[in-house]
Amino acid sequence: GAGVSQSPSNKVTEKGKDVELRCDPISGHTALYWYRQSLGQGLEFLIYFQGNSAPDKSGLPSDRFSAERTGGSVSTLTIQRTQQEDSAVYLCASSSRQSNEKLFFGSGTQLSVL
Amino acid sequence: AQKITQTQPGMFVQEKEAVTLDCTYDTSDPSYGLFWYKQPSSGEMIFLIYQGSYDQQNATEGRYSLNFQKARKSANLVISASQLGDSAMYFCAMRGGAGRRALTFGSGTRLQVQP
Repeated sequence: GAGVSQSPSNKVTEKGKDVELRCDPISGHTALYWYRQSLGQGLEFLIYFQGNSAPDKSGLPSDRFSAERTGGSVSTLTIQRTQQEDSAVYLCASSSRQSNEKLFFGSGTQLSVL
Repeated sequence: AQKITQTQPGMFVQEKEAVTLDCTYDTSDPSYGLFWYKQPSSGEMIFLIYQGSYDQQNATEGRYSLNFQKARKSANLVISASQLGDSAMYFCAMRGGAGRRALTFGSGTRLQVQP
């Protein structure tokens, strides 16, 4: 596609429920990133995929968070047993080495845990 | 470990004047990249400018320039001729070399351009 696509754009869930957030990167981009941004804060790194290499999961805040990337393209971020502190905007980005790995961001998923 | 520091939570500038947003970084990688992103109230992240650690010249993109001082580990963003539409959050970010490839972001600076 023309840009990074994320869905849903908004998600409201109840505490304790599981949620899945989807990211469709720019075609041909080998790197995919997930970041989290709480209201008025900076971007917190969550996880990074590069081609077929093992993902860098060093930013995942707890074992309730996991992500996978199928076929080197679409990625799903899963949050199990959501907590209120998980409420944030979840941003996905993709990049390619040809563009100095400049990140192209999606519009994000606003997650609200009630 | 990589670290990005933006010490100005908020800045004001008059329309048509220039403004400098500060960014310092810390890394042990000899090769790295520095980025600036703009985030308007709409929430989208917009790439502004990139500087490679081995680039000899300071990067420029239209009204944006990056004042790269390698010895001081600073990568300040200069916006010339500020416009009302420049009001936004600005984030400095760094990508390491052989180490972690994901971008590390600073805490951001909120710029408000006044008419």
